[in-house]
Amino acid sequence: GQQLNQSPQSMFIQEGEDVSMNCTSSSIFNTWLWYKQDPGEGPVLLIALYKAGELTSNGRLTAQFGTTRKDSFLNISASIPSDVGIYFCAGPRAGNTPLVFGKGTRLSVIA
Amino acid sequence: DAGVIQSPRHEVTEMGQEVTLRCKPISGHDYLFWYRQTMMRGLELLIYFNNNVPIDDSGMPEDRFSAKMPNASFSTLKIQPSEPRDSAVYFCASSLGRGDQPQHFGDGTRLSIL
Repeated sequence: GQQLNQSPQSMFIQEGEDVSMNCTSSSIFNTWLWYKQDPGEGPVLLIALYKAGELTSNGRLTAQFGTTRKDSFLNISASIPSDVGIYFCAGPRAGNTPLVFGKGTRLSVIA
Repeated sequence: DAGVIQSPRHEVTEMGQEVTLRCKPISGHDYLFWYRQTMMRGLELLIYFNNNVPIDDSGMPEDRFSAKMPNASFSTLKIQPSEPRDSAVYFCASSLGRGDQPQHFGDGTRLSIL
């Protein structure tokens, strides 16, 4: 079935650094979603992308819908300690079907 | 606005006991999803409902797991009998309009089976 592969699996960065992570699939997705999960809480939607090539920002976060429709990227600029958490990409398998989630990128920020 | 509400937040019980997890979706949402999260397997979709009707339960691991949605504002996930390998965080999520729309998650139930 469709799988979403996220990389890196985990990363440790210094406060103030920029972060890049990506999500790839062997299948085409028509929607890409990025969620963040804080420790002890449920995932929260950060950004939704609906068109190939779309670039969308939410504060220091920027996400892009890859032109091949098989990948998406999330960048965080000038990281701060509260950026710590797990970042998930997700997309619908097909049509009116539930989301498939990647296994997440675990981000640690060192102050 | 109230989000998805799950209870209890934490549950510790002995193996063999029945466990019931509860979820109240966002008012007006017509899709409800139950997930299990572990370090090894990530987020796994167990079952989802549309308008209170179960649509796909292929993710439910065994017959020991069952889920119900008696009305639009309440769902339960039951494990009977529980086993140590059921220890995980269980999330409920809801969405509006279509199954592929962004989902809103509760804060989860952390379940430990001793």
